[in-house]
Amino acid sequence: NAGVTQTPKFQVLKTGQSMTLQCAQDMNHNSMYWYRQDPGMGLRLIYYSASEGTTDKGEVPNGYNVSRLNKREFSLRLESAAPSQTSVYFCASSGQNTEAFFGQGTRLTVV
Amino acid sequence: QKEVEQDPGPLSVPEGAIVSLNCTYSNSAFQYFMWYRQYSRKGPELLMYTYSSGNKEDGRFTAQVDKSSKYISLFIRDSQPSDSATYLCAMRKARGSYIPTFGRGTSLIVHP
Repeated sequence: NAGVTQTPKFQVLKTGQSMTLQCAQDMNHNSMYWYRQDPGMGLRLIYYSASEGTTDKGEVPNGYNVSRLNKREFSLRLESAAPSQTSVYFCASSGQNTEAFFGQGTRLTVV
Repeated sequence: QKEVEQDPGPLSVPEGAIVSLNCTYSNSAFQYFMWYRQYSRKGPELLMYTYSSGNKEDGRFTAQVDKSSKYISLFIRDSQPSDSATYLCAMRKARGSYIPTFGRGTSLIVHP
């Protein structure tokens, strides 16, 4: 029973490099989310996908893009990483009658 | 002002104490109220959720919602060192978007 799986768990990037964070859920949930968590700031929504084929901006979308590849997978892409994007990134999913389940996070450092 | 306010703490208590964690909110459209627990270097896990006003009990945990005051609480009885974690409140509307809005989290330390 994997739930929400995120890869990679850790990553160090140089400023200007690009990378994609992967997320997959096996609970047949319609909605998926990407959050970032910074000290003192709590969880802030980057992008979300209410259902397969749709994506929308959250509170802090600048510098990110997303792809809802299919119902299971929702990826987050940093096209040109900046030190301000150093954070812990969490993917989550939810169903119509279930609250959000989170993955274990990706710790990203941009140097 | 954020939609959901939560004191970040830390809150330090002795083992066996009753812990009270609280959040206030401003959006009267919120109908579902959740508490998540997050251990260090882990993802948040759903602890409890309630719909509208009232109390819900699960073992040592009690969630309480007072919609008239826009105030929610989580009580932990007989607290244990294993309860040491960050507790995040979250809430969402009943219709339309199901996106939860989170508080900043309260760090709880239970010392033996």
